[in-house]
Amino acid sequence: GNSVTQMEGPVTLSEEAFLTINCTYTATGYPSLFWYVQYPGEGLQLLLKATKADDKGSNKGFEATYRKETTSFHLEKGSVQVSDSAVYFCALTVTGGGNKLTFGTGTQLKVEL
Amino acid sequence: DTAVSQTPKYLVTQMGNDKSIKCEQNLGHDTMYWYKQDSKKFLKIMFSYNNKELIINETVPNRFSPKSPDKAHLNLHINSLELGDSAVYFCASSQTGQGGEKLFFGSGTQLSVL
Repeated sequence: GNSVTQMEGPVTLSEEAFLTINCTYTATGYPSLFWYVQYPGEGLQLLLKATKADDKGSNKGFEATYRKETTSFHLEKGSVQVSDSAVYFCALTVTGGGNKLTFGTGTQLKVEL
Repeated sequence: DTAVSQTPKYLVTQMGNDKSIKCEQNLGHDTMYWYKQDSKKFLKIMFSYNNKELIINETVPNRFSPKSPDKAHLNLHINSLELGDSAVYFCASSQTGQGGEKLFFGSGTQLSVL
């Protein structure tokens, strides 16, 4: 089956620190990979995506590279802000899966001044 | 305009009651979903409808019954509520052909069963 494993949180960083949130996956077939973000009290929003190996998704200073050899899609940001505090979800979908996204367990990020 | 709206935002009820959560999307999408998020933030799909037809039905108790009167609406009815049903329920929508990645989520309904 399909599954996504994320590092456990919470991750607490000072503003301007470097962020890495690890994500690895297993999939039957060739997956597309995503990061979603959930701000407090809101629904999830798509942050970035990558649909094939070596693709790099990027948005709002966040980046993640689709690494097929290590089945990973780690999220990085060079300098976090307090406004980045949220829960981050790694997810995948496989063609023919009925548009079904499989989510990781989410990683809470807290950024402090 | 809110793209995906669900009501109510909070729902507190007693065990054994029956309740409904409503969801509407104004994006013109053809697919809608219900997800359940537990207290540890784990998010799991429950149902998916495409053009009013059920296409994903995960292992969910049959006390949960989705209803899609049209493409823009997907309501969730829950019978005989149990303590374990307490969670945040998210409605979402997407458009076929976008690879399923661009889901638009509502802001959630926090259900508390006492």
